[in-house]
Amino acid sequence: NAGVTQTPKFQVLKTGQSMTLQCAQDMNHEYMSWYRQDPGMGLRLIHYSVGAGITDQGEVPNGYNVSRSTTEDFPLRLLSAAPSQTSVYFCASSYRGRGEAFFGQGTRLTVV
Amino acid sequence: EDQVTQSPEALRLQEGESSSLNCSYTVSGLRGLFWYRQDPGKGPEFLFTLYSAGEEKEKERLKATLTKKESFLHITAPKPEDSATYLCAVQGWAQKLVFGQGTRLTINP
Repeated sequence: NAGVTQTPKFQVLKTGQSMTLQCAQDMNHEYMSWYRQDPGMGLRLIHYSVGAGITDQGEVPNGYNVSRSTTEDFPLRLLSAAPSQTSVYFCASSYRGRGEAFFGQGTRLTVV
Repeated sequence: EDQVTQSPEALRLQEGESSSLNCSYTVSGLRGLFWYRQDPGKGPEFLFTLYSAGEEKEKERLKATLTKKESFLHITAPKPEDSATYLCAVQGWAQKLVFGQGTRLTINP
């Protein structure tokens, strides 16, 4: 079992560029979520999904889009990158939305 | 609005020196309080779930306790490998996990 896999691990973008952060899980979890982690701010929820075809906004959704076409995959799209989106991004999954979540290794994104 | 505050922000101990980390919370309809460990450059790793006041959970040198307003993570006779950032999170009726800022723990040999 690979658990939760995120790609890429590191990325540098120029302001205005777009990109997709990939997240895949092999545990058949219904619930998946995206967080960003900034120094002194803790983990903040961006978007989440309770199952294929269903997504909703978290605490800091502006500038990000998500979709969930399969149970396994939950990509996060940055439409037009801004320096304020420089952060470490984590994808997580859990069984039926329980708080015992499994996290990926993270993507460190720098926007210049 | 659900909120979690952790203290201290950073804690440095000598090997074998026991201490406690604090997690204060406010939540609408507590479904659970969770402790995670995060090593540098890695994602958080789940440690404990506490559901109701008075509950305790133990794992090796770690013990988590819960009251109606706080949770404590007690570390007994820590070793250098216990060095990590410890995160506390709550889940309320809305089912979203809300995390605190974390406590960065360093154990010196």
